Amino acid sequence: DSGVTQTPKHLITATGQRVTLRCSPRSGDLSVYWYQQSLDQGLQFLIQYYNGEERAKGNILERFSAQQFPDLHSELNLSSLELGDSALYFCASSVVGGGTYNEQFFGPGTRLTVL
Amino acid sequence: GENVEQHPSTLSVQEGDSAVIKCTYSDSASNYFPWYKQELGKRPQLIIDIRSNVGEKKDQRIAVTLNKTAKHFSLHITETQPEDSAVYFCAASTLPGTGNQFYFGTGTSLTVIP
Repeated sequence: DSGVTQTPKHLITATGQRVTLRCSPRSGDLSVYWYQQSLDQGLQFLIQYYNGEERAKGNILERFSAQQFPDLHSELNLSSLELGDSALYFCASSVVGGGTYNEQFFGPGTRLTVL
Repeated sequence: GENVEQHPSTLSVQEGDSAVIKCTYSDSASNYFPWYKQELGKRPQLIIDIRSNVGEKKDQRIAVTLNKTAKHFSLHITETQPEDSAVYFCAASTLPGTGNQFYFGTGTSLTVIP
């Protein structure tokens, strides 16, 4: 158990819908990362937040957005869902900022199925 | 931006043999290189990492080497066991800092044949 939690574990929805994925980082970690992993694909970095602010952006579609709240949990919002959005979405957290350790710890993932 | 390439994409070895996975990166500013193991249906887990101020790091049967000049780093697994079968990802990032994009390789599916 990495200490990073994600909910829900599974999500099945229809095309055109909107969903919200939630992530709680490890205690003390200020940074949260979101990744998308499609079937047989590697990890695609989507976005990073540090202490409530967006700090790095990867291949995130305009239909996707994220935020990090004052309690440091983060939410990834996916809208106008398409079949191709079906994937495993991972959240990861790391200490970052002030320390020298940058290891990421991954949550268990949310499996999104768009029908 | 950074580009991380990983080879091979699949690797099969006999139990007890060694396995080597190689990654190259493009951005000389990258200074932190973790390796993750992902078993089927599970989360990626950090197995070893190396920072650019060292050339090699070892942890039991696993070792990572880094060549900063050539911008490549490798994962070495010795005396492989069936439980080593998984997908392995390399990554590159920069530290310290508060804005850190991790660039991952495309993964190597390792199969250890008993």
